[in-house]
Amino acid sequence: NAGVTQTPKFQVLKTGQSMTLQCAQDMNHNSMYWYRQDPGMGLRLIYYSASEGTTDKGEVPNGYNVSRLNKREFSLRLESAAPSQTSVYFCASRMDYEQYFGPGTRLTVT
Amino acid sequence: QQQVKQSPQSLIVQKGGISIINCAYENTAFDYFPWYQQFPGKGPALLIAIRPDVSEKKEGRFTISFNKSAKQFSLHIMDSQPGDSATYFCAASDSWGKLQFGAGTQVVVTP
Repeated sequence: NAGVTQTPKFQVLKTGQSMTLQCAQDMNHNSMYWYRQDPGMGLRLIYYSASEGTTDKGEVPNGYNVSRLNKREFSLRLESAAPSQTSVYFCASRMDYEQYFGPGTRLTVT
Repeated sequence: QQQVKQSPQSLIVQKGGISIINCAYENTAFDYFPWYQQFPGKGPALLIAIRPDVSEKKEGRFTISFNKSAKQFSLHIMDSQPGDSATYFCAASDSWGKLQFGAGTQVVVTP
C-alpha cells in the first residue's frame, strides 16, 4: 500500500508556463483534495472531489483547474503559472473523517 | 480570514515537559477537529482527532481538550521527547471533509 503518491516532487516553472501535478491513491477512497502550503499560513484548500466525476472549488481556486480522472487519480493543472503560485502542494484522500496526505510537490515559479 | 486561529507560533520545551497548543474556531458547522504533525519535507500526518460530542480524548502522550461553548480546543503533549520536534497544525472540517487549518506551531524539544 503506497497510500497517496504525488509527482513530481520538485518543479521549477517560468511565469506563463503550464503544468499538471499528479496525485494517486490506492486506498479506494471516494474523496480527494488539493491543498497548498505557504509559510505562516497553514494549508489552504484549492479544490476537492467528493466522488469520482465531481469537483468543487475550495478556498483558493483561482488560477487552477482539476480533473478527477477516475477513483484513484486527481490532478491539478496550472494553465499559466504565476510567481504567487510558488508553494508546496499537497494532495489528500479521505476515509470517513480521516484525511491522508501525500508527500507534496514543491513548485517554484520564476 | 483564517477561520481557525492557532497559538503560539512556536514554543520550546525541555525533554519531559508539557507542550500546549491552543486553537479557536468560529464556524459552528465544523464537526471534526484533527491535529496534524508535520516534519520538514514531509506531508502532514494525522496525530489525533476529536468530535464535538466529546470533551477530551487521549492517545498515549497526546491529549485533545475540547470546549464546545467557547469554540476552543487544545493539544497537550505530555513527557515531550526530542522526536516530537515538528510543526503541529490544528484543523476543523465540515461534513464534506473540507479542512480549515490553523497557521501551525513549531515545537522544539530540547534534550
